[in-house]
Amino acid sequence: EDQVTQSPEALRLQEGESSSLNCSYTVSGLRGLFWYRQDPGKGPEFLFTLYSAGEEKEKERLKATLTKKESFLHITAPKPEDSATYLCAVQARRGGSQGNLIFGKGTKLSVKP
Amino acid sequence: ETGVTQSPTHLIKTRGQQVTLRCSSQSGHNTVSWYQQALGQGPQFIFQYYREEENGRGNFPPRFSGLQFPNYSSELNVNALELDDSALYLCASSLGQGGPREQYFGPGTRLTVT
Repeated sequence: EDQVTQSPEALRLQEGESSSLNCSYTVSGLRGLFWYRQDPGKGPEFLFTLYSAGEEKEKERLKATLTKKESFLHITAPKPEDSATYLCAVQARRGGSQGNLIFGKGTKLSVKP
Repeated sequence: ETGVTQSPTHLIKTRGQQVTLRCSSQSGHNTVSWYQQALGQGPQFIFQYYREEENGRGNFPPRFSGLQFPNYSSELNVNALELDDSALYLCASSLGQGGPREQYFGPGTRLTVT
């Protein structure tokens, strides 16, 4: 069964304290892995797509990496405005729908000033 | 460029009633997917529409149904509402088929069933 597990469930950081979020996945052939940011009561905001192991993408203080079994979202010198829930999702080769993103439960990040 | 919009923002319904939620896709996008997000959980795929036809469905009963219109906007209909249907309903649009496609989400509709 295709599955995505994110850890930790919650993470509290001081402003400037770098850390990483983990997304482990089991999927029957990976089409793509996606990272989203979600603020309370709002829809997920697209951050990155990763397609193959070894790939890396960066945006401001965020860097996403991908291996054959997991992805990491590295946050460098975070600021309070980075506080949000970060969601990881995979799209499997098996199954007919391109829309079937399988999400993890997310990591809730809090950054204190 | 216009983003994904959803209406209404919030909705309160009684168990057994029916509800229709609406979504306008991002300009230029022809594919719409619907997700249900319970509190503290990740979104769960309900179904996807591509060029007005259902193109894949998640593990949801037939009382969840949808439509896509020629302008690529979409509706999600839920019949015989149950308490467990209370959730944030998200619409996401993307362009085309084949290969991994980034999906762009709307703000969601918060449905409460009492």
